[in-house]
Amino acid sequence: DAGVIQSPRHEVTEMGQEVTLRCKPISGHDYLFWYRQTMMRGLELLIYFNNNVPIDDSGMPEDRFSAKMPNASFSTLKIQPSEPRDSAVYFCASSSGRDEQFFGPGTRLTVL
Amino acid sequence: AQTVTQSQPEMSVQEAETVTLSCTYDTSESDYYLFWYKQPPSRQMILVIRQEAYKQQNATENRFSVNFQKAAKSFSLKISDSQLGDAAMYFCAYNRDDKIIFGKGTRLHILP
Repeated sequence: DAGVIQSPRHEVTEMGQEVTLRCKPISGHDYLFWYRQTMMRGLELLIYFNNNVPIDDSGMPEDRFSAKMPNASFSTLKIQPSEPRDSAVYFCASSSGRDEQFFGPGTRLTVL
Repeated sequence: AQTVTQSQPEMSVQEAETVTLSCTYDTSESDYYLFWYKQPPSRQMILVIRQEAYKQQNATENRFSVNFQKAAKSFSLKISDSQLGDAAMYFCAYNRDDKIIFGKGTRLHILP
């Protein structure tokens, strides 16, 4: 298996623009997680899905953030409009049940 | 609040020596998993070792081993024969329900 795939790996955008991050989980995994990592706040869980259904979005910072999982092999995290404080590394991870999570390589987002 | 505490923000060890990273956690559950993840400069999150709480035997993976003290809620990581490639940020974590709760991390430096 190719592991968790994220795209793009790097994204540079201007404040106010829409940003879409993409994730393909490992085939057969029923959980998908979106994290944000910054120096100040560490690794934060934003939202997670089970069988494509959002279970807990309490970590989503505000309404500018939204996430979808239209099918078992694809998820998106969208920020609209983006702000400089959204600059971070965004990770997608997947797991089977409650066991270890497998992380993607991350997307480094820079909002100017 | 259920948390994971890594009391050592940074540590250094001489190459080929042994180092122990400490971790304590707080949970009211009796059945859970514990993890140590490694994040090298490439920022990829890599699982180093996992422990099932119901198992008394400490997990071992090559040069990595844990000291799991369930009553004390302690889960330390020992790295033997440290190598330059071990330099990274190490995160202790445990799963709560469907989620994994991460500590703030310990940055490990390997001195040649």
